[in-house]
Amino acid sequence: EIVLTQSPATLSVSPGERATLSCRASQSINNYLAWYQQKPGQAPRLLIYDASNRATGIPARFSGSGSGTDFTLTISSLEPEDFAVYYCQQRSNWPPWTFGQGTKVEIK
Amino acid sequence: QVQLVESGGGVVQPGRSLTVSCVVSGLTFSGSGFHWVRQAPGKGLEWVAVIWYDGSNKYYADSVKGRFTISRDNSKNTVYLQMNSLRVEDTAVYYCTKDRALGHFDYWGQGTLVTVSS
Repeated sequence: EIVLTQSPATLSVSPGERATLSCRASQSINNYLAWYQQKPGQAPRLLIYDASNRATGIPARFSGSGSGTDFTLTISSLEPEDFAVYYCQQRSNWPPWTFGQGTKVEIK
Repeated sequence: QVQLVESGGGVVQPGRSLTVSCVVSGLTFSGSGFHWVRQAPGKGLEWVAVIWYDGSNKYYADSVKGRFTISRDNSKNTVYLQMNSLRVEDTAVYYCTKDRALGHFDYWGQGTLVTVSS
């Protein structure tokens, strides 16, 4: 089973600032990584698939990069609606499909 | 637009059974695979089960294998998760999600809460 480790657990950022979230896989997953955003009381939403492709309707301030074992989600300039929990997830080696434990982006 | 609507959650005693459903609209149901993903209260996301677009393949997380069964009815645009021998640790919001490219999840339902408690 592939283990995904996200860091940091909590990221405190001011609106308008840049946020950088990391996800590390326990073995190479090529580029088969997605990022999801989840707000309280809501279902997760797909942001990025296959490491760097924005999903439909996702603003350009969200970008993904990386391959192999190290991946990054960057939010270039945080908007108030971006404060949420973010999860990475792999589809390289399955079953099971696995998620990271999440990074909470909070207002500084 | 694409909609996934789960139902059937509730409170159930340990050892009992429950079936949750997911009605899908706005896409070609018979051409899509579907997963169930769950989230225990205050915890992260856990993949539970998947069914291929034609029902030919089904996979389960080790934590539910032998107890849960995923199925689909293409005539009703509905995906099911039958849960037997429920445990307290199965308490979670269960989300139905559409598969994208064998393992990303591009559309999600709002979730249905299953509480296993005596």
